[in-house]
Amino acid sequence: QVQLVQSGAEVKKPGASVKVSCKTSGYTFTDYYMHWVRQAPGQGLEWLGWINPNSGATIYAQKFQDRVTLTRDTSVSTAYMELSRLRFDDTALYYCVREAYDWGQGTLVTVSS
Amino acid sequence: SYELTQPPSVSVSPGQTARITCSGDALPEKYAYWYQQKSGQAPVLVSYEDIKRPSGIPERFSGSSSGTLATLTIRGAQVEDEADYYCFSTDNSGKPSYVFGTGTKVTVL
Repeated sequence: QVQLVQSGAEVKKPGASVKVSCKTSGYTFTDYYMHWVRQAPGQGLEWLGWINPNSGATIYAQKFQDRVTLTRDTSVSTAYMELSRLRFDDTALYYCVREAYDWGQGTLVTVSS
Repeated sequence: SYELTQPPSVSVSPGQTARITCSGDALPEKYAYWYQQKSGQAPVLVSYEDIKRPSGIPERFSGSSSGTLATLTIRGAQVEDEADYYCFSTDNSGKPSYVFGTGTKVTVL
């Protein structure tokens, strides 16, 4: 069955960067786009961007255009999301999502001084 | 930037029908997806490509779309359907950028 397993929780200081991984199994990694989504505490869902794992092409939400980088390593069927220049309001649960269908378990990123 | 607008809340009695709307200018050309999110859990897809239902999702959930409005209908709502619901779609620019709707809290009581 399809599985998306994300890396563990992170605590970062303002201004730092964080990189979250999403290791996949149960399907052909390069056949499906991967979205990244976040949800701040008590808030709605927010789309960060997506990557074509086959070509590596990316599209980012305008809000995160200059701070988010999506990459992938096809040799290990893993997608990555890196967010730089972290701010307090980046504290959220970050998810990888295979196309629109399957979600990872989420990675809590806490930005705290 | 592109926006999808949902009502903040919908209330329904058990066994009745709940309708959740999602308004967006690109919806006549772009598919809508719907997610259910229960408290403390990851979202679950309940409708995709406007009208399709994933396997394992009860038949009481159905999606539709007309013009700039997509709708998720829950016929015969159950207490366990109480959750937040989000629509998801893309704009119609050359480089498609996705967006979630503002979210709707469905209360079954």
